Amino acid sequence: EVQLQESGPGLVKPSQSLSLTCSVTGYSITSNYWGWIRKFPGNKMEWMGYISYSGSTSYNPSLKSRISITRDTSKNQFFLQLNSVTTEDTATYYCARIDVYGLLGYWGQGVMVTVSS
Amino acid sequence: DVVLTQTPPTLLATIGQSVSISCRSSQSLLHSNGNTYLNWLLQRTGQSPQPLIYLVSKLESGVPNRFSGSGSGTDFTLKISGVEAEDLGVYYCMQFTHYPFTFGSGTKLEIK
Repeated sequence: EVQLQESGPGLVKPSQSLSLTCSVTGYSITSNYWGWIRKFPGNKMEWMGYISYSGSTSYNPSLKSRISITRDTSKNQFFLQLNSVTTEDTATYYCARIDVYGLLGYWGQGVMVTVSS
Repeated sequence: DVVLTQTPPTLLATIGQSVSISCRSSQSLLHSNGNTYLNWLLQRTGQSPQPLIYLVSKLESGVPNRFSGSGSGTDFTLKISGVEAEDLGVYYCMQFTHYPFTFGSGTKLEIK
């Protein structure tokens, strides 16, 4: 069974970096595409970016200067780093597997991150 | 970015009632390859989003056939034919045609 699980600090101070890990079991991250999505308080969802089976990345231009998605294939994990966070980055962060036709077939349970001093 | 406008923002339904959610796009979602990458997802309270429909009208495996999707170009609809209690939650449309991918604003389905 494919499972994804996000982990990382729930509280980050403004101007610091947010770092999250998505651990994948039951499927290799060297197949498919893998994305990060966040949901802000009040239901708004935002696509952040993805990393491909080959390690190439694509980011939402609204975040391009602050975001980095990397991976460790030996641990079957991929990572999100978001720099220079502000209170507006407070959200629940999800990782997901991107299947054919853009279907987000598998999601992690989400990790709530609060940006506050 | 493509803006997806969902209506209504909130839907109050009784069990067994049929309901529809509209998703209108600021640009056509028809890709140059002929596919229209419009998906529907449901997020139940306390859970992660789950896929319901992809390519406008194709049902994800395991999704009950009371869910159906339709539309083309810029106008799309999700219909639930006979709401059940387990259907409550927030429904999102999502487009995968233009980058960055974007989500609708969500429709909260509540059961009377």
